[in-house]
Amino acid sequence: ETGVTQTPRHLVMGMTNKKSLKCEQHLGHNAMYWYKQSAKKPLELMFVYSLEERVENNSVPSRFSPECPNSSHLFLHLHTLQPEDSALYLCASSQDTSNTEAFFGQGTRLTVV
Amino acid sequence: RKEVEQDPGPFNVPEGATVAFNCTYSNSASQSFFWYRQDCRKEPKLLMSVYSSGNEDGRFTAQLNRASQYISLLIRDSKLSDSATYLCVVNEGSGTYKYIFGTGTRLKVLA
Repeated sequence: ETGVTQTPRHLVMGMTNKKSLKCEQHLGHNAMYWYKQSAKKPLELMFVYSLEERVENNSVPSRFSPECPNSSHLFLHLHTLQPEDSALYLCASSQDTSNTEAFFGQGTRLTVV
Repeated sequence: RKEVEQDPGPFNVPEGATVAFNCTYSNSASQSFFWYRQDCRKEPKLLMSVYSSGNEDGRFTAQLNRASQYISLLIRDSKLSDSATYLCVVNEGSGTYKYIFGTGTRLKVLA
């Protein structure tokens, strides 16, 4: 059983819709991440939160809006997405920056139509 | 130059074969290194961390060469269940949270 849970697992949304992705970690970690994985591309880091404070924002378009209400939960709010935003969105967590590994959720497969 | 570079493969090997993957990284200040495994349409899962002294876990051996800035993964006695994409991951460390992923190397173990 994964220590990082993402919902929904699959999402189809229109370009004018607003939706949110949810991530919850049960590992007591301090850092949480959003990654995007498109076909034949490496995972792209989108956002990083450490102790609920955003510490990385990797030039992500404003149509993606993260929220971290506490150290266990992370959201990615989506609005007016484009078809090229269709991808697998992965949440991860890690204990801290001290060379510890990251653990991933099962991802949300997003299709924008 | 890409931050983390891997041969995408696929590597097609028979069961029982030994196969090795390399991964090069561009940032000489990188602090920690990992191999992840990703099955089709699933999330990446940690296979093993890579330590300076190298490490071994059963049939899997990982090595780090800081001078040449590459890490390697050796799989001995390949099993059908080893078929997956193997992701090289580098963490720049030093208080950053950047895990940089390679595109992955696809392995197919054939019966």
